[in-house]
Amino acid sequence: GDSVTQMEGPVTLSEEAFLTINCTYTATGYPSLFWYVQYPGEGLQLLLKATKADDKGSNKGFEATYRKETTSFHLEKGSVQVSDSAVYFCALRGSSYKLIFGSGTRLLVRP
Amino acid sequence: DAGVTQSPTHLIKTRGQQVTLRCSPKSGHDTVSWYQQALGQGPQFIFQYYEEEERQRGNFPDRFSGHQFPNYSSELNVNALLLGDSALYLCASSKWTSTDTQYFGPGTRLTVL
Repeated sequence: GDSVTQMEGPVTLSEEAFLTINCTYTATGYPSLFWYVQYPGEGLQLLLKATKADDKGSNKGFEATYRKETTSFHLEKGSVQVSDSAVYFCALRGSSYKLIFGSGTRLLVRP
Repeated sequence: DAGVTQSPTHLIKTRGQQVTLRCSPKSGHDTVSWYQQALGQGPQFIFQYYEEEERQRGNFPDRFSGHQFPNYSSELNVNALLLGDSALYLCASSKWTSTDTQYFGPGTRLTVL
């Protein structure tokens, strides 16, 4: 079945460092891909999405490119801030309407 | 414009009891999905409702049931609670015609003792 694998955390960075969180997926067909963010004590917020190969999703300085050849959707940000500290989830939506999530990666940014 | 709202925020139950969680979708949305998020894990899909019918179901036992009302709000019911049902329960709403964009509520934290 469809699945998402993302790098284990926690990822600890200093402010203004470059961020990469790896995400790979397994799916039949052409899924839509997403990154969600969860701040402490809150629900999930959609960060960005891409619906077809080579699409780049971007929002708030975060970017991810849908790479079908490597079945990947890695999240990047050029300069992280303390306020980016949260748990990040990679997800896909395949032929059904449900979202399938990875296990999450905790990001801690230190001043 | 209110987003997705859920109630209650927290709930404590004992094994064997039954619980009902509630969700009101974002204005303009007609589809509600429920997810279970165990501590330290990603959310797992429970089921989805549209036009007051269950449209899809994940790998959850029949103890988990739901309902959608004419105003698009939804309930999640769990019977015969087990310790393993302790989790954050998330509701997500969307338009049936655009389910790529799902908006999540803050969740209900259920603790089963």
